[in-house]
Amino acid sequence: QQQVKQSPQSLIVQKGGIPIINCAYENTAFDYFPWYQQFPGKGPALLIAIRPDVSEKKEGRFTISFNKSAKQFSLHIMDSQPGDSATYFCAALVRGNEKLTFGTGTRLTIIP
Amino acid sequence: GAVVSQHPSWVICKSGTSVKIECRSLDFQATTMFWYRQFPKQSLMLMATSNEGSKATYEQGVEKDKFLINHASLTLSTLTVTSAHPEDSSFYICSASALGLAGVGRANEQFFGPGTRLTVL
Repeated sequence: QQQVKQSPQSLIVQKGGIPIINCAYENTAFDYFPWYQQFPGKGPALLIAIRPDVSEKKEGRFTISFNKSAKQFSLHIMDSQPGDSATYFCAALVRGNEKLTFGTGTRLTIIP
Repeated sequence: GAVVSQHPSWVICKSGTSVKIECRSLDFQATTMFWYRQFPKQSLMLMATSNEGSKATYEQGVEKDKFLINHASLTLSTLTVTSAHPEDSSFYICSASALGLAGVGRANEQFFGPGTRLTVL
C-alpha cells in the first residue's frame, strides 16, 4: 500500500532553476514530514522536515510547502546547483510510531 | 554529531553463505534502530525495527529466520543474512533514532548509515 505518492520520478533542471518535487499522503495521522537527499551508493541524509501546524519552512536553499487540507507537501530548491543532483525522497511519520513511510523518490539532475 | 556507521561498506559472497552487517551509532545512544533494503532505483523498504535488548519487529513479508537482527547494545545492531541467494543482493541501510536526546536532532529524526552493498554470486 503506497501511502505517500511522489512525483515526478525524474527531473532535469538547469543550474539556477527551482526544481519542485511533490508528495501526497493519505493517512491523516501522519504528523511529521521529512525530506531526504541520497547520493549514489550512500545512505539518505535529512534535508529538512516540517510538522503540519505550519505551511512553509525554509532552511538555506531548501523550502517545504505544506497544504494540510490537500494532504500535499512539496520541496523547492532555490538557486539549484549541479551538486544538488541526487535522488530525493519525501517521507511521513506518525509521532510515537517512529516508522518512516517513504515516497518513491525523484532523481534530480541539475545541468550546468 | 549523530553519526551512524555501517560495516562492511560492500561485501561479495557465494550463494548459501551467511553475511553479517554491523550498524553502530558513534556518538549517541540509539533508542531504536531500523534496517532497510533498497533495490536499484527504488525507494527504501523497511525490513525491521529493533530496540536494544528486545526482539526485532519485522515488516510483513520479511523472513525473520533469514534476516536475523541482534540489538545487543544501545550503539550496535547487526543484521545477518543467512543462506544468502542472488535475489538477496541489495543495498542494506540502517538508521538509528534517539527519542528525547536533547541537542541531537529532533524527536523522531532517524540518522542513516552509509549503507552496505551486498552481492551474492
